[in-house]
Amino acid sequence: NAGVIQTPRHKVTGKGQEATLWCEPISGHSAVFWYRQTIVQGLEFLTYFRNQAPIDDSGMPKERFSAQMPNQSHSTLKIQSTQPQDSAVYLCASSRDWGNTGQLYFGEGSKLTVL
Amino acid sequence: AQSVTQPDARVTVSEGASLQLRCKYSYFGTPYLFWYVQYPRQGLQLLLKYYPGDPVVQGVNGFEAEFSKSNSSFHLRKASVHWSDWAVYFCAVSSQGGRALIFGTGTTVSVSP
Repeated sequence: NAGVIQTPRHKVTGKGQEATLWCEPISGHSAVFWYRQTIVQGLEFLTYFRNQAPIDDSGMPKERFSAQMPNQSHSTLKIQSTQPQDSAVYLCASSRDWGNTGQLYFGEGSKLTVL
Repeated sequence: AQSVTQPDARVTVSEGASLQLRCKYSYFGTPYLFWYVQYPRQGLQLLLKYYPGDPVVQGVNGFEAEFSKSNSSFHLRKASVHWSDWAVYFCAVSSQGGRALIFGTGTTVSVSP
């Protein structure tokens, strides 16, 4: 049973370039979450989808960050005009029954480095 | 607003000794509480979860946690620590209805021989 798959595992971009991160949730899971992890800020919630619909994007920086879930098998997080402060590990998680008895299953993350 | 406080950034414990990691939550309503662990160079893994019911919950690898509404706490315990428990431990809170999971800042546990 494959877990949450995130690609790429590592990405290096230059300042001002665009970065797209991909997440494949566990099959059958209806909820998908994105988090950002840094040493300074810890684990920050970014956004969450349920049945592909955006539910809560309160953690997303209003400019430059966007997330989509075009189908039940993948979600993307896009960062335009990347800045050094965007350097972080971006974590994707999915859940079958979030809000009842479900738990989040996390991928291993995509480490973004902005030079 | 909901929040989680883990007051200890780092804890060092001797192998075989007991461990307690503290977690305080702030939440309006009925919280769902979780402990996750992040081993070196690995992703986050669930240790245990609490839904309204028995305040003491058992998790994997001998971990347990106790929910206290009066103290707004959800402390994690283990009776005898093993070297493989060296990791970062995160407490987190959510709710019925599926609000996003909010994490504390984590506690790094180091195990000495």
